[in-house]
Amino acid sequence: DQQVKQNSPSLSVQEGRISILNCDYTNSMFDYFLWYKKYPAEGPTFLISISSIKDKNEDGRFTVFLNKSAKHLSLHIVPSQPGDSAVYFCAASDNTDKLIFGTGTRLQVFP
Amino acid sequence: NAGVTQTPKFQVLKTGQSMTLQCAQDMNHEYMSWYRQDPGMGLRLIHYSVGAGITDQGEVPNGYNVSRSTTEDFPLRLLSAAPSQTSVYFCASSSPRLAGDYNEQFFGPGTRLTVL
Repeated sequence: DQQVKQNSPSLSVQEGRISILNCDYTNSMFDYFLWYKKYPAEGPTFLISISSIKDKNEDGRFTVFLNKSAKHLSLHIVPSQPGDSAVYFCAASDNTDKLIFGTGTRLQVFP
Repeated sequence: NAGVTQTPKFQVLKTGQSMTLQCAQDMNHEYMSWYRQDPGMGLRLIHYSVGAGITDQGEVPNGYNVSRSTTEDFPLRLLSAAPSQTSVYFCASSSPRLAGDYNEQFFGPGTRLTVL
């Protein structure tokens, strides 16, 4: 049973517009959520995180929103740039060092 | 500071062969882990270690062994390779969590393994 779900395998957005990537989870014990970005032939790199006691965290063009009652989080990228084209993974931790990853969303930003 | 390094980058094996994927980190991280990435499956945890001499199983441990004799190294062994183990393997490391916080995991560049 997938505890972290990313239901959109791909997303295509025009440069300058907003990209919204979604993630749902089932385990109410998750206390920290992270987004990772992955380019082809490279390892994932950390992008942004949010604690379960917060509902928003912002870092430059990237904002993560957490809705605990809906068990849903989203990553907003504004404005989107061609260099943002990558696969984005949502991940969650249940108060341990382990991470549970979603299946990823491939974002393509076109001119 | 090299971060997390993995060798080899690519490997082709025949069914039944054994091999070891190497992983090393120079950040003095206590936590290390191995993931496999398959199309449509995301990253799945194979084995992890919270420190030298301590290892535990993740979501998909069957067919893999690990050991952690030093803080720096965390090799992953395939005992008898099967086509189902064709995948991209990532090693990661991090400092242990502190109360109320989370330390990001740093990933290596990956090893692409094909089992024929």
